[in-house]
Amino acid sequence: DTAVSQTPKYLVTQMGNDKSIKCEQNLGHDTMYWYKQDSKKFLKIMFSYNNKELIINETVPNRFSPKSPDKAHLNLHINSLELGDSAVYFCASSPSGGYSYNEQFFGPGTRLTVL
Amino acid sequence: GQQVMQIPQYQHVQEGEDFTTYCNSSTTLSNIQWYKQRPGGHPVFLIQLVKSGEVKKQKRLTFQFGEAKKNSSLHITATQTTDVGTYFCAGYNQGGKLIFGQGTELSVKP
Repeated sequence: DTAVSQTPKYLVTQMGNDKSIKCEQNLGHDTMYWYKQDSKKFLKIMFSYNNKELIINETVPNRFSPKSPDKAHLNLHINSLELGDSAVYFCASSPSGGYSYNEQFFGPGTRLTVL
Repeated sequence: GQQVMQIPQYQHVQEGEDFTTYCNSSTTLSNIQWYKQRPGGHPVFLIQLVKSGEVKKQKRLTFQFGEAKKNSSLHITATQTTDVGTYFCAGYNQGGKLIFGQGTELSVKP
C-alpha cells in the first residue's frame, strides 16, 4: 500500500554509464515531480509532469530525460553519468494541476553514487 | 528568481528545550508549506499556511505565517528525541514551482 514508490533505492555506477530510476504513485494524483537533493540536503526541482505532459523543466543537463508513460508513472533516465550527478533523487506527486498549491507526497528516494 | 532562505542551518538542543526555525522569502508567497525529513528518510508534509498572520498548532509544533506573507516560523516546545530531523519550509512561485528553503537540521541530545 505504498503511496509513492521508487526503484532502485540505491544505485552505484561508473562514470559514463546510463541508468534509469522508476517512480510509481497509487494516489491517483495528476502531477508528478523529480527533485535532486545534494549532499547539503538542498532540494531542487528538476521536472514536473501533469497528466503525462511536461510542465516544469528546470535548467538541468539534457543528459537527464524524464518520461511519463501514464499519470501514475514518471521515470528518469540519465545518460553519460558524471561524478556531480551523485545525489539523492526524490520522486513526488500532488493531487491536482501543477499550479495548484497542494502538498506533495515524496517517495523514499534513490541514492545515486557515481564512481 | 524567487529565493527562500531558512535559518539556522543547524540547531543542537538538549531534550526539553525549545526550538525555532525561520523562513524568509524574497517575494510574497501565496502560501507556505513545512516538511520534515528524518535522517535517511524523505520529506513529509507537515502543514500549509495560506492567510496573512495565520497561526496553526500541531501538538508541540506552532507554525506562523507573517503579516506580509514573506516570512514564516516553526516553533517546537519542549523538544523530544523524536523531533530529530531536517525541517524545510517551501513556497510556490508564480511558475508553479515549489521552492524549498535550505532546511534546518535539528539534533536533540537526550
